[in-house]
Amino acid sequence: AQTVTQSQPEMSVQEAETVTLSCTYDTSESDYYLFWYKQPPSRQMILVIRQEAYKQQNATENRFSVNFQKAAKSFSLKISDSQLGDAAMYFCAYRSGYAGGTSYGKLTFGQGTILTVHP
Amino acid sequence: NAGVTQTPKFRVLKTGQSMTLLCAQDMNHEYMYWYRQDPGMGLRLIHYSVGEGTTAKGEVPDGYNVSRLKKQNFLLGLESAAPSQTSVYFCASSSAGQSQNSPLHFGNGTRLTVT
Repeated sequence: AQTVTQSQPEMSVQEAETVTLSCTYDTSESDYYLFWYKQPPSRQMILVIRQEAYKQQNATENRFSVNFQKAAKSFSLKISDSQLGDAAMYFCAYRSGYAGGTSYGKLTFGQGTILTVHP
Repeated sequence: NAGVTQTPKFRVLKTGQSMTLLCAQDMNHEYMYWYRQDPGMGLRLIHYSVGEGTTAKGEVPDGYNVSRLKKQNFLLGLESAAPSQTSVYFCASSSAGQSQNSPLHFGNGTRLTVT
């Protein structure tokens, strides 16, 4: 079974600064997807960024980028130019790349990291 | 466009009471999921369904039952609520086609308190 670990329960950053959230995972599969989700106080789950394991290039979405280290099974999220609206819980998640079987698109989540942004 | 709708948004139950959480999606998705979110534990999969009439157990299924009589609806039932089931419950859905690359669409959650 796959596991996802977020070792930072809480992080804080000053507005306009950069912060990195850590995530490690364990899997024996070679084909998979990794995700970062943002959960603001509204409880809404918002997809921030997605990385395919077969792609060596790190995914980027505007101010959000990842550092994907496949051999180390590490998938960190970097938020540049932090804004007050970035304050939220962030979840790292894993999804098998194998359709069907026992996967069926299920996500395995990490414990979450609460990000506070100071003005 | 509604997406994934969960009802109710909040509920307080007494120990031993029963209730059903309803999830409805209007995207014609084949796959649907129920997760629970607890502090320090992230989201954990309770049950899921890969199509109308089919359900399967996830990581933490004990104390819950589910049904998927219609493709668009996925019901989560608690037959005899326990304080350990106090949690926030999320429903999600996903397309089966290229499912591994299709994002999950989440509802806005149901906060359940069992006293």
